[in-house]
Amino acid sequence: QKEVEQNSGPLSVPEGAIASLNCTYSDRGSQSFFWYRQYSGKSPELIMFIYSNGDKEDGRFTAQLNKASQYVSLLIRDSQPSDSATYLCAVMGETNWGKLQFGAGTQVVVTP
Amino acid sequence: DVKVTQSSRYLVKRTGEKVFLECVQDMDHENMFWYRQDPGLGLRLIYFSYDVKMKEKGDIPEGYSVSREKKERFSLILESASTNQTSMYLCASSLFRGNYEQYFGPGTRLTVT
Repeated sequence: QKEVEQNSGPLSVPEGAIASLNCTYSDRGSQSFFWYRQYSGKSPELIMFIYSNGDKEDGRFTAQLNKASQYVSLLIRDSQPSDSATYLCAVMGETNWGKLQFGAGTQVVVTP
Repeated sequence: DVKVTQSSRYLVKRTGEKVFLECVQDMDHENMFWYRQDPGLGLRLIYFSYDVKMKEKGDIPEGYSVSREKKERFSLILESASTNQTSMYLCASSLFRGNYEQYFGPGTRLTVT
C-alpha cells in the first residue's frame, strides 16, 4: 500500500509567522504532488502543485519538493487567521494516471 | 472555473435503502472520482472512472457501485445502505493528461440510520 504521511497536528502558529507543513511518501516513482486546503465542513480546494525538485512559490505559499528524500513541504508565510484549516498532501504515482493518494491532513490553527 | 456539483448536500437514509449520489462536472474532464472522508482516516478512494462506461475500483469499493453513462456525470450507488456507510462523500474530476489536479464538489453528508 503506497502511503502518504502527514503530522496530524494541530499546528499552532502565531499570526504573521511562518507555518511549515511536511509530507512524506513511500512510492519512489511518484511524480506529481499537490497541496489542498480544507476548511471545516467544506471540500478540499487546490492550493498548488509541484512536479520538479526545488521550490515553487505562489503568493504567500511555497511548496518544496525533495524526491531523493521523498518529502514535500508547504510553507505559509505571514499566516493569517483565515489560513486556519486542514492541509492535505496528495501524491500521484508513476503510473496512476490521475489517481491521487491523500495524506490524512495537518490541522493548522493561526492564533491572533 | 471548474465546477463540480453534487446532487445533495445532506442526505438521511434508512438501513437497507438503495442510495444514489450524483456528481456532474462542466469542464469536459475525462477522470472522475468518488471518495469518502471520515475523521482520522482521511480521503479514501471508492471508485474512479477515466472514460464513459469505464470504471476501476479504488481502495474501498465494497458495498458500492458506480455508473458513468455520460462524460460529465458520475453516479455512486449504495445498493443496500448500512450504518457504517455514514460519511462525507466527495466527488472530484480531473483531466486524463496534463496537470492531473483534482477539483472537488461540495460533498454530500450521508447519514444512514
